Amino acid sequence: NAGVTQTPKFQVLKTGQSMTLQCAQDMNHEYMSWYRQDPGMGLRLIHYSVGAGITDQGEVPNGYNVSRSTTEDFPLRLLSAAPSQTSVYFCASSWTTTNEKLFFGSGTQLSVL
Amino acid sequence: KNQVEQSPQSLIILEGKNCTLQCNYTVSPFSNLRWYKQDTGRGPVSLTIMTFSENTKSNGRYTATLDADTKQSSLHITASQLSDSASYICVVSSNDYKLSFGAGTTVTVRA
Repeated sequence: NAGVTQTPKFQVLKTGQSMTLQCAQDMNHEYMSWYRQDPGMGLRLIHYSVGAGITDQGEVPNGYNVSRSTTEDFPLRLLSAAPSQTSVYFCASSWTTTNEKLFFGSGTQLSVL
Repeated sequence: KNQVEQSPQSLIILEGKNCTLQCNYTVSPFSNLRWYKQDTGRGPVSLTIMTFSENTKSNGRYTATLDADTKQSSLHITASQLSDSASYICVVSSNDYKLSFGAGTTVTVRA
């Protein structure tokens, strides 16, 4: 099993550009989520999904969209990138809920100029 | 507001020595507490998960303790190795499945 796979590893955007961060898992996990990690702060939840076709907002959802058309994939879209979205983004998954062990991807380092 | 505070922010230890990291939380109602290890440039990896009734849990040279009464946890690293250099993150889960993340403690092990 590959676990949780994120692409790309690094990305540089200009202000106003849009892009999609990809996340895929091969463990048949129902729960998937996106976090951002900023220096000196704990991971913050952006969006999450408890199953295909179901998504919900987390703590910091503004400026981001998600969809969950399959169990395996959970892409994160930046609609119009802003410098405040410069961060490291992690996708995570677990069997059902966050009460179980979370498996994280290796992250995407995004810089918005 | 649910909070998780970790201390120290960073520490440097010599290879072979022990160290202890602290985690204090105000999350309520409490479900479980986890410790994750995050290597530079990688995602966090789970070390331990402890529920209310567990006060000690080990994973190799890592031992986590939990005092649910005082809302404190610690992670003890025994006989540190260079590969233990990483950030260690304390995460507390509440009964409504919300996770609260600490900012992490960065451990540097020097030869």
